Amino acid sequence: GDSVTQMEGPVTLSEEAFLTINCTYTATGYPSLFWYVQYPGEGLQLLLKATKADDKGSNKGFEATYRKETTSFHLEKGSVQVSDSAVYFCALNSGGSQGNLIFGKGTKLSVKP
Amino acid sequence: DAGVIQSPRHEVTEMGQEVTLRCKPISGHNSLFWYRQTMMRGLELLIYFNNNVPIDDSGMPEDRFSAKMPNASFSTLKIQPSEPRDSAVYFCASSPLFGYGYTFGSGTRLTVV
Repeated sequence: GDSVTQMEGPVTLSEEAFLTINCTYTATGYPSLFWYVQYPGEGLQLLLKATKADDKGSNKGFEATYRKETTSFHLEKGSVQVSDSAVYFCALNSGGSQGNLIFGKGTKLSVKP
Repeated sequence: DAGVIQSPRHEVTEMGQEVTLRCKPISGHNSLFWYRQTMMRGLELLIYFNNNVPIDDSGMPEDRFSAKMPNASFSTLKIQPSEPRDSAVYFCASSPLFGYGYTFGSGTRLTVV
């Protein structure tokens, strides 16, 4: 079945460091891909998405490019801030009769001042 | 728009008691999802509805769990009888269409003692 694999956390970075969180997927067909962020004590929020190969999703300085050839959707940010500390979830939706998002296990990011 | 509204935010109950969690999706969204989040298991899909009809309840752990969606603006998740292992954060999410990403509520933190 469809699945999402994220890099294990936690990830600890200093402020202004470069961030990469790896995400790869397995899916039949052509899924839509998403990154969600969960701040402490809150629900998940959609961060960005891409619906077809080579699309780049971006928001709040974060970017991810849908790579069909490597089945990847890695999340990147050039300069992280303390306020980016959160748990990040990669997810896919393969559509069809399923309809529900399949989430990775999440990667906790801590940014130190 | 007030977003997805869940109540209560926190619930502490004794083992064996009935617990009812409530969710009001975003107006116009036709899909509603119930998730459970724990440290051990991460984010688990329990059940989802499309146009008020349950589509997939294979994630509901046991017969003690039941969910209803009597109309487009309200859903409940009931646990009867509750057990300590049901302690978790329960999230409700809604979306306008499959594949468009979800809007999550802030969650209900359930503690069963």
